Amino acid sequence: EVVMTQSPATLSVPPGERATLSCRASHSVDTYLAWYQQKPGQAPRLLIYGASTRATGIPPRFSGSGSGTDFTLTISSLQSEDFALYYCQQYKNWPTFGQGTKVEIK
Amino acid sequence: EVQLVESGGGLVQPGGSLRLSCADSGVTFSSHEMSWVRQAPGRGLEWISYINNSSGSTTYYADSVKGRFTISRDNAKNSLYLQMNSLRAEDTAIYYCASVLEGGIFDSWGRGALVTVSS
Repeated sequence: EVVMTQSPATLSVPPGERATLSCRASHSVDTYLAWYQQKPGQAPRLLIYGASTRATGIPPRFSGSGSGTDFTLTISSLQSEDFALYYCQQYKNWPTFGQGTKVEIK
Repeated sequence: EVQLVESGGGLVQPGGSLRLSCADSGVTFSSHEMSWVRQAPGRGLEWISYINNSSGSTTYYADSVKGRFTISRDNAKNSLYLQMNSLRAEDTAIYYCASVLEGGIFDSWGRGALVTVSS
């Protein structure tokens, strides 16, 4: 099983500032990496796949990078609707998710 | 476009069974690979099962549910199912159905169905 580890667990950022979330895989997953956003009481929403490709309808302030074992999700200028929980997920092998990073208002 | 709605959740005793359904109101259900993903209360996401598109002849399961859960689909009814047997307290979770791209990208999700296993 590929273990996904996200850091930090909680990220406090003022609105309008940049947020940088990290995800590390226990084994290389090439670029088979996706990012999801989840708000309280809602299902996750796909943001990024292939490590860097935005899903349909996702604004360009969301960007993903990385390959192999280290990945980053960057939100360039946080909007009020971006404060949420974010998960990374690998799909090179049986899908596994990280434990999540909560982005909260500072 | 895939629009998914789960049903069939509820309270069940340990050792009991439950069948979840996931209805797709779109027009291309048969062409979509599908999966079930669950989320225990206050916890992260766990993929538990996958079924291929069209015939549904290929299925995969996480070790945590293998031998107890069965995924299936009825393309004529635009529906996905999860038969859950020998339920345990640790199966308590919100169960999401999701359409799948490239074997592992969960691109559309239902709202989820809560399953509570408790005596």
